[in-house]
Amino acid sequence: GESVGLHLPTLSVQEGDNSIINCAYSNSASDYFIWYKQESGKGPQFIIDIRSNMDKRQGQRVTVLLNKTVKHLSLQIAATQPGDSAVYFCAENSGGSNYKLTFGKGTLLTVNP
Amino acid sequence: EADIYQTPRYLVIGTGKKITLECSQTMGHDKMYWYQQDPGMELHLIHYSYGVNSTEKGDLSSESTVSRIRTEHFPLTLESARPSHTSQYLCASSGRAGRAREQYFGPGTRLTVT
Repeated sequence: GESVGLHLPTLSVQEGDNSIINCAYSNSASDYFIWYKQESGKGPQFIIDIRSNMDKRQGQRVTVLLNKTVKHLSLQIAATQPGDSAVYFCAENSGGSNYKLTFGKGTLLTVNP
Repeated sequence: EADIYQTPRYLVIGTGKKITLECSQTMGHDKMYWYQQDPGMELHLIHYSYGVNSTEKGDLSSESTVSRIRTEHFPLTLESARPSHTSQYLCASSGRAGRAREQYFGPGTRLTVT
């Protein structure tokens, strides 16, 4: 069936560097994408989302890029901090009367001081 | 911070016991979800509800059952726990006006069946 997956299972960066986490999706009907951050022992927290009519959206220190041609999205974190260490998940939804999210496998981001 | 609560946070129980995991939200969301997540793995949807008295099975087959008698409450029940049920169970809700697909998650219940 359709799935959402991530390119890299782990990412290690130095504090202050920019981080890029990638995600591939296969459902061409997906029109909504969302990034979550999950810290150890906690539930996922919303970071940022983007609809398919956009190719870029910015938040506080985060930017999501969407490339519908190759079915790829990325999460960029600027000036990565130790508090950014967590597992990051992308998820997609195909809209209409369907409100379910399909989650990818997650990327573990480790920020080294 | 989202107002969605799960109890208990941790549960260790013996094989064959009946358990109920509680989930409540105070946001008035009409949609609620249960996910199962093994350590370091993706979230798998096991049940969802789009309103009172409406429940559906998710993408991952599960021996658990759910009920939705009140908008704010979405409990998950395992009639006879087995070691294969050991996992983390996450509850979520959505339904904020204009952002119906954004799901808010509870802290999770980590279940261990011995």
